[in-house]
Amino acid sequence: GNSVTQMEGPVTLSEEAFLTINCTYTATGYPSLFWYVQYPGEGLQLLLKATKADDKGSNKGFEATYRKETTSFHLEKGSVQVSDSAVYFCALSSGSARQLTFGSGTQLTVLP
Amino acid sequence: DAGITQSPRHKVTETGTPVTLRCHQTENHRYMYWYRQDPGHGLRLIHYSYGVKDTDKGEVSDGYSVSRSKTEDFLLTLESATSSQTSVYFCAVASGGAEFGTDTQYFGPGTRLTVL
Repeated sequence: GNSVTQMEGPVTLSEEAFLTINCTYTATGYPSLFWYVQYPGEGLQLLLKATKADDKGSNKGFEATYRKETTSFHLEKGSVQVSDSAVYFCALSSGSARQLTFGSGTQLTVLP
Repeated sequence: DAGITQSPRHKVTETGTPVTLRCHQTENHRYMYWYRQDPGHGLRLIHYSYGVKDTDKGEVSDGYSVSRSKTEDFLLTLESATSSQTSVYFCAVASGGAEFGTDTQYFGPGTRLTVL
């Protein structure tokens, strides 16, 4: 079956530090890959996505590249801000039902 | 937020009582989903719908049932709530894009359910 493994948190960084959150996956077929973000007390919002190998998704300074050879989709940002503090979820979508399989989430806290 | 509302937003109930959660959408999305969120597990799919009266089970469907009699509403029912069903429940919608498997899901604000 499908599965997503994320680096465990929590992660605490100082403002303007470089961020990497690792994500690897196991899936049959050719999944699409997503990063969602959840701010306190809210639902999930799509941060970025990639639909095929070597695609790069980007949004709000965040980037992730779909690496089929290493089955990875690591999230990166060059300079984090306090407002980036949230929980980040890696997910994959596959199959005709477009079901999402999520990682366990990584809590990011950015200190001023 | 793709016009998604969930009701109630918070509920406390007792073991053995029936509970129904409602998801309502205003943008005519074809697909609707119910997930639960628990610490250490991320989100897990309970049930989903691919059209009116068309539903199927997800990863953690035991103890839950769903119904979709109208495009805009997707109901999740706990027939007899148990403490293990204490969780945050999220509804999501998707339109079913032209490109297979690439459609984006949009999430509602969640319902926090506590079963005592």
